[in-house]
Amino acid sequence: DARVTQTPRHKVTEMGQEVTMRCQPILGHNTVFWYRQTMMQGLELLAYFRNRAPLDDSGMPKDRFSAEMPDATLATLKIQPSEPRDSAVYFCASGSGTGGWTGELFFGEGSRLTVL
Amino acid sequence: AQSVTQPDIHITVSEGASLELRCNYSYGATPYLFWYVQSPGQGLQLLLKYFSGDTLVQGIKGFEAEFKRSQSSFNLRKPSVHWSDAAEYFCAVGTTSGTYKYIFGTGTRLKVLA
Repeated sequence: DARVTQTPRHKVTEMGQEVTMRCQPILGHNTVFWYRQTMMQGLELLAYFRNRAPLDDSGMPKDRFSAEMPDATLATLKIQPSEPRDSAVYFCASGSGTGGWTGELFFGEGSRLTVL
Repeated sequence: AQSVTQPDIHITVSEGASLELRCNYSYGATPYLFWYVQSPGQGLQLLLKYFSGDTLVQGIKGFEAEFKRSQSSFNLRKPSVHWSDAAEYFCAVGTTSGTYKYIFGTGTRLKVLA
């Protein structure tokens, strides 16, 4: 069963610490999205990539967040330094975005981050 | 700019009753439209999508949705709700050119009474 894999599933850290979340998209998918979900804001688009190139990261606080795709099988979202307001569930989703665009995003199970 | 509005934050229905979840969108062209469902502690799963053609689309789990261009709506329906349908439902708009960007609504949380 092809699926998007996210690690860690849960992370508790202290304010000021660096946090790195990882995502393995479905093999063959060339579009990767990062979303943040909170009760107050719902699902917010942080960044997305096509063919490993960042297309839009306007939703991401640039001073502390960074997103990369070191290779086609790994996407990372890093927060440094972390703050309590970053506590949320972070979702990665992948899809096929060229030629046969199916329009469907496949979501991972999320990384629940708690910053104390 | 694209946007999606789900006016109902919470909806409660009795098991066996019919369901309609509302979704309105704003987009300059004909969008791609989606409904996703999220069970507690899980990621989102696609229920159905509309790209073109027949404006009534069928999805998984007995759901359907109707695209109404004149009303900029894409409401989700189910004739008879099951207790297992309790979840949060998200409507989304996908842009049809360029960067294939996805915008999600704020979600509607469905509660089902036994």
